[in-house]
Amino acid sequence: QKEVEQNSGPLSVPEGAIASLNCTYSDRGSQSFFWYRQYSGKSPELIMSIYSNGDKEDGRFTAQLNKASQYVSLLIRDSQPSDSATYLCAVYTTSGTYKYIFGTGTRLKVLA
Amino acid sequence: GAGVSQTPSNKVTEKGKYVELRCDPISGHTALYWYRQSLGQGPEFLIYFQGTGAADDSGLPNDRFFAVRPEGSVSTLKIQRTERGDSAVYLCASSFGQEGTQYFGPGTRLLVL
Repeated sequence: QKEVEQNSGPLSVPEGAIASLNCTYSDRGSQSFFWYRQYSGKSPELIMSIYSNGDKEDGRFTAQLNKASQYVSLLIRDSQPSDSATYLCAVYTTSGTYKYIFGTGTRLKVLA
Repeated sequence: GAGVSQTPSNKVTEKGKYVELRCDPISGHTALYWYRQSLGQGPEFLIYFQGTGAADDSGLPNDRFFAVRPEGSVSTLKIQRTERGDSAVYLCASSFGQEGTQYFGPGTRLLVL
């Protein structure tokens, strides 16, 4: 079982719709969770971080964390074609010396 | 500088050659990470520095790969006897402490012919 799992996509949504991106993780002791956006040919850039159960909103982005279910999601409201990118989930785990684990990413396509 | 910088941005080399990739982290960031990313994959961890020492090098694929950070700031990733399979984007990230948010540099695109 991979430590951080994401559906590779592509996830296609029409412009203006809500895009929902999901991530599950295996280390129940994980405390910190991050969503990065990566445009093709560019490096990852941080969108959101979340540490507590529940929702965290920042503009059109909402991160949701459910530690009991070991699940973190990212919602993008009013999706725009400029949101088309790969979204990487990263988890700060409790095991090992190096603790950041990245998922393989979900490719999002917002159709104009 | 304001962000993480990496040089060169692109490197083309021949199989068997030696290459060095440089990373200049955000000023004051104590933690520095090297990743390798292949097309369609997430960043693959290579090595993590806390200060000058390599706190975890378990991601280095073999002994052809080595990284240093002699003064706790700039880091160099060194690849000996390059192979075609080493072709990838090499990303560097830094953070303020290990639990801090990681900020990525623009990456070095390595192509081994």
